[in-house]
Formats: sequence, C-alpha cells, structure tokens
Amino acid sequence: DTAVSQTPKYLVTQMGNDKSIKCEQNLGHDTMYWYKQDSKKFLKIMFSYNNKELIINETVPNRFSPKSPDKAHLNLHINSLELGDSAVYFCASSQEHRGGHYGYTFGSGTRLTVV
Amino acid sequence: DQQVKQNSPSLSVQEGRISILNCDYTNSMFDYFLWYKKYPAEGPTFLISISSIKDKNEDGRFTVFLNKSAKHLSLHIVPSQPGDSAVYFCAASTDTGNQFYFGTGTSLTVIP
Repeated sequence: DTAVSQTPKYLVTQMGNDKSIKCEQNLGHDTMYWYKQDSKKFLKIMFSYNNKELIINETVPNRFSPKSPDKAHLNLHINSLELGDSAVYFCASSQEHRGGHYGYTFGSGTRLTVV
Repeated sequence: DQQVKQNSPSLSVQEGRISILNCDYTNSMFDYFLWYKKYPAEGPTFLISISSIKDKNEDGRFTVFLNKSAKHLSLHIVPSQPGDSAVYFCAASTDTGNQFYFGTGTSLTVIP
C-alpha cells in the first residue's frame, strides 16, 4: 500500500504540449510538496501546500501550476512544455512543520522527458 | 545559491569497512538536518536526523555527526553492506523555515 504515489512514472512528450502529474498520499499528512531534481541531481523545492493552501511558491515559471483539490492530493500541471523542463519530479508529504522527526515521505518520482 | 553542499559525488568502500559521507552548509540559521537514502527509480527515504542541540545521533549502523562551528555534518555507516549502495542526500532547515534545502547527493558503492 503505497504511502505517496505519483503518476505517471515516466512521461515523454513533445515541446509545447500541456501535461499533468498526479500525486496522492494516504498518510493523513497535512503538507504536500513538489520537488524537481535536475540533471545536476539538485533537489529543489517548487511548491508546498498545507491543507490545500499554497505556502511555498518558489521561483518557477508560471507555466507550472499546482492544484490541491484536497489535502491528500497535489497535482502539477505544466503548460507549453520546454526542453529545460526535462527532469525528475518528486512529490512528498509531511505531517508537521519540517516533517517532524521523520522528515518527508517521498513518492518514487516522475521522469519527464521533453523532446 | 546552493546552501547545502555535498562535494563528493561518489564514494566506493569495501564491505565491512566504514563509509563516511560529508555535507557542508552555509546558512548558520540551519538547526535541523536530515539524511536521505535513494535507490534508482525510487524516491528518497528518510534515514536519520539530528538537531543542532546535539552533536551526534546514532541509529544502528548509522551515525550522524554535527559540527556547528564548521557548518559540517557527516554520516558514518559501519560496517558498510552492499545493500547500502545508494545515493545519499543531506538536507537542512531553519527553525522558522517551512522547507528543507537538499545537497546534490553522494553515490555510495559498497564493494562485496
């Protein structure tokens, strides 16, 4: 029973397309995150939601739009995909501020390739 | 601006020996640190944490050391096992912050 699940696992798409990545957690956590791991393996936060409210919105292009229909879901929609968007995107969740003692629980990642 | 750095992208260690993974940070306000382990095609999983009120935290074969004056932490794995082969990320946060800053990871290979 996966704690944080994201779909799809792999996504190959052409430049200019619009795509979505879905994330769901069944841990009852209040906070969810999207992280991007680029080609240099650098894990950088993009967005954070707490109980469906946006609390972190780092400097990412506005082509990226998170949507949280409820606290168990945080989806990432990307418009007009560009080559530079190719990366692995990780969803994560945490129960409390800074994840408490156990940090975040991550999903297995979505590898996005824009061609 | 990368506030958490792992300057060794890779490390190879013989099975049974000690693995030492290092992490440096620049923000003196960081007061909580985590280590994550990541296997290929999986998300990072939490390994061990330490807060700035301690200089050492131990959990089985894993020990994290924190040197606040040097802004340096390290993860010791002893004895190392082949199953420990993975990428290890350190992460740091401030008391009032609501996110963790991650390093770029160190790929550990434990040779049987």
